[in-house]
Amino acid sequence: SAVISQKPSRDICQRGTSLTIQCQVDSQVTMMFWYRQQPGQSLTLIATANQGSEATYESGFVIDKFPISRPNLTFSTLTVSNMSPEDSSIYLCSVRTGNTEAFFGQGTRLTVV
Amino acid sequence: GESVGLHLPTLSVQEGDNSIINCAYSNSASDYFIWYKQESGKGPQFIIDIRSNMDKRQGQRVTVLLNKTVKHLSLQIAATQPGDSAVYFCAGGGDDKIIFGKGTRLHILP
Repeated sequence: SAVISQKPSRDICQRGTSLTIQCQVDSQVTMMFWYRQQPGQSLTLIATANQGSEATYESGFVIDKFPISRPNLTFSTLTVSNMSPEDSSIYLCSVRTGNTEAFFGQGTRLTVV
Repeated sequence: GESVGLHLPTLSVQEGDNSIINCAYSNSASDYFIWYKQESGKGPQFIIDIRSNMDKRQGQRVTVLLNKTVKHLSLQIAATQPGDSAVYFCAGGGDDKIIFGKGTRLHILP
């Protein structure tokens, strides 16, 4: 298993600003992902965070809006840039440890005003 | 691309009865399927998974059935308890990413 810590757990931000969310894992993991969960909705994959190289983004998500870093096998950050109210959502970090199971952090609840 | 969806958005079940949550998928390329449980304010929690070459798998109080002919997945929860109240997601995965379905909220009636 893996224990994931996300910071911050929640934040209220002004539109036009940026927020960086941190994801720390208690062990080295091969795969790390970032998901978005809008209110009352399912999880949508934003990107795969690749260690030592650029993240792989899903359709509809771009690096300029959601820059991702992954400097090592236990840490990643997701930045939500130039925020608008439509970015209000829960952002979740996820890791896989080699089998089918994926572990999730508690999420970061973002409100943009 | 992968697309996984659910038949019903909400399900109300009497405590002690069995619950059946259904899911349809459109892409047969997934190597496996997973059920997650998400309680309020928490991240999704793994319940059970099934490889695409299987049709049934049982866990503790849960059973997952996979019908590849009609591209249908179900989660059966035996003797539903108040602690089972949550949103349940099916998901499909391969070697890399996992794609989620829409979710079903399970209500437990006293």
